[in-house]
Amino acid sequence: GNSVTQMEGPVTLSEEAFLTINCTYTATGYPSLFWYVQYPGEGLQLLLKATKADDKGSNKGFEATYRKETTSFHLEKGSVQVSDSAVYFCALSFNSGGSNYKLTFGKGTLLTVNP
Amino acid sequence: GAGVSQSPSNKVTEKGKDVELRCDPISGHTALYWYRQSLGQGLEFLIYFQGNSAPDKSGLPSDRFSAERTGGSVSTLTIQRTQQEDSAVYLCASSLAAGGVPYEQYFGPGTRLTVT
Repeated sequence: GNSVTQMEGPVTLSEEAFLTINCTYTATGYPSLFWYVQYPGEGLQLLLKATKADDKGSNKGFEATYRKETTSFHLEKGSVQVSDSAVYFCALSFNSGGSNYKLTFGKGTLLTVNP
Repeated sequence: GAGVSQSPSNKVTEKGKDVELRCDPISGHTALYWYRQSLGQGLEFLIYFQGNSAPDKSGLPSDRFSAERTGGSVSTLTIQRTQQEDSAVYLCASSLAAGGVPYEQYFGPGTRLTVT
């Protein structure tokens, strides 16, 4: 079946440091890939997405590139801020024939950014 | 506009009791999903509704779990004879109807269920 593996946390960085959170996936076809973020006390929000190979999703300074050859979708940001502290979830969506685009999530990575 | 709303925000129940969790999707969103977020299992899909079609129940963990969606809008997730392992945050999400690519799913704030 489909699955997502993302790096274990927690990750602790200083402000302005470079961030990478690794994500790899297993899927029977060509899924769409997502990063969701959950800020403290808030609900899940879509951060960025990519729907086909070599697409780059970007938002709020975060980027991730859909790499079919390595089945990866690593999240990067060049300079993190304290406000980026949150839990980050990598996810995939694959439609095997119906209209159900259910999300399959990784375990989540807690990021803490210190001033 | 209004986002996805869920009620109650917190529910504490005794083992063996039934509970009902409610989800009000974004107006105009015909697709509705329920997920569960627990420490042991992470985020997992439970059930999917699309318009008036039969729901996809493939993620429901046992026959104690059921859900319905009335009038293509509000949805209720019911857990009968609750067990301690049902303790989790239950999330609802809605999206526009899929048409070849997945539309963004908008999540509600969740209902935290604690079974004592």
